[in-house]
Amino acid sequence: GAGVSQTPSNKVTEKGKYVELRCDPISGHTALYWYRQSLGQGPEFLIYFQGTGAADDSGLPNDRFFAVRPEGSVSTLKIQRTERGDSAVYLCASSLMGQGDNEQFFGPGTRLTVL
Amino acid sequence: DAKTTQPTSMDCAEGRAANLPCNHSTISGNEYVYWYRQIHSQGPQYIIHGLKNNETNEMASLIITEDRKSSTLILPHATLRDTAVYYCIVRVFGAQKLVFGQGTRLTINP
Repeated sequence: GAGVSQTPSNKVTEKGKYVELRCDPISGHTALYWYRQSLGQGPEFLIYFQGTGAADDSGLPNDRFFAVRPEGSVSTLKIQRTERGDSAVYLCASSLMGQGDNEQFFGPGTRLTVL
Repeated sequence: DAKTTQPTSMDCAEGRAANLPCNHSTISGNEYVYWYRQIHSQGPQYIIHGLKNNETNEMASLIITEDRKSSTLILPHATLRDTAVYYCIVRVFGAQKLVFGQGTRLTINP
C-alpha cells in the first residue's frame, strides 16, 4: 500500500512569506507526527496528533508555527513570517493508533529553503 | 528520555556483519531501545526495538546487555544499500515522540 506522502517535495520561499506543507498519512493511521531536520542533525519533534486534535505540540519552536488535521487524516504544517532559520527538511510520520510501541512510518520530507 | 551515545561514523565491508554500538547508561526500567535508520534523502525507517531480551527480525538483530546500559544493532550481511545514518533511541513505553540524537553514519564499502 501507499506510504506517507508529503507535498511539495521542495519549497523555496522568501523571508517573511507564509508557507503550507502537506502530509498524507498511511490510510487508517490515527497518529500523525511532524519533525524538522536541520542539515547534519537528527530529526527534531514538533507536534503529534491523535485523530483531529494536537495531543502534544511542545516541539513547535514559536507561535509562527501551527499545524492542523481537521478530518483526522491529512495534516498541514503552516509557517508564518518565515525566517532563514526555518530552512530545513520537514518530515511527517504516521503510526497505527498512536500507541507507544507502534513504529512510526516516515514520509520523504519537504525541503524548505527560506531565502 | 534517557540520553544515548553512538559513534559518529563507522565503516564495514560488504557481506560482513555490521555491529553498531549504543550506550544508554541512564536508561530506566520502562524505557525501550529503538533503532531507526535514514538513507540519504529519505525519511527515517524503523528497524527494530526491544526492552531487555534480544530481538531479531528480517532486517537486524538487537542485543541488549543484561544491565541494559548498552546495546548493539547487528546487520548480519551488510550490503551497499545499508549505507545510512543509524539512530539509537530510548523511549518510554507510551511516549509518542521519538528523540533523535546525531546517530552513526555507517558506510558499507564494496
